[in-house]
Amino acid sequence: GENVEQHPSTLSVQEGDSAVIKCTYSDSASNYFPWYKQELGKRPQLIIDIRSNVGEKKDQRIAVTLNKTAKHFSLHITETQPEDSAVYFCAASSQAGTALIFGKGTTLSVSS
Amino acid sequence: GAVVSQHPSWVICKSGTSVKIECRSLDFQATTMFWYRQFPKQSLMLMATSNEGSKATYEQGVEKDKFLINHASLTLSTLTVTSAHPEDSSFYICSATDPTGKNIQYFGAGTRLSVL
Repeated sequence: GENVEQHPSTLSVQEGDSAVIKCTYSDSASNYFPWYKQELGKRPQLIIDIRSNVGEKKDQRIAVTLNKTAKHFSLHITETQPEDSAVYFCAASSQAGTALIFGKGTTLSVSS
Repeated sequence: GAVVSQHPSWVICKSGTSVKIECRSLDFQATTMFWYRQFPKQSLMLMATSNEGSKATYEQGVEKDKFLINHASLTLSTLTVTSAHPEDSSFYICSATDPTGKNIQYFGAGTRLSVL
């Protein structure tokens, strides 16, 4: 089955800096890669996703890149703000209607 | 986006009792829902896939007799933790796939279970 590795487990940046979180996956059949932000005790919130027919996607300060050959995808947050502090999870799934397999998460701390 | 409601948000129970958690898709029909468990400071681990009108598919290592899943309608899936023990204390979250076919999953707010 699918296995998703995520790095780093913790990331501390200064306000205004960029943050990058990287994930690798094992199943070449995976074609959907969402990123979720989870605040303590709350539900995961989808912040951006990318599909296998796209190499990069951007939404304001957030961007995701995908390298299908290398089986890795990354989340980029620019101009970080304290409210970006949370746990971020990458995930992968192989087809519509199937479950997401999550990475172990990255705790991002943005200090002002 | 689609809304998934989960109830209760928090439950405390005595060891040996059973607890039922409900997951509802409020504004769409969900033929498939998923149940995850999340221990403190850990990731979401898939427990089972809940299929409307058929038996749930459980992940390896998840006891189907302990975690009973029922998906009797297109908008409701339930997870019953039977004979709960302290080690079952965790954050349980359900999700449902949006009906547009884009495979976007929407999560419930989660249920924090504490077994004394």
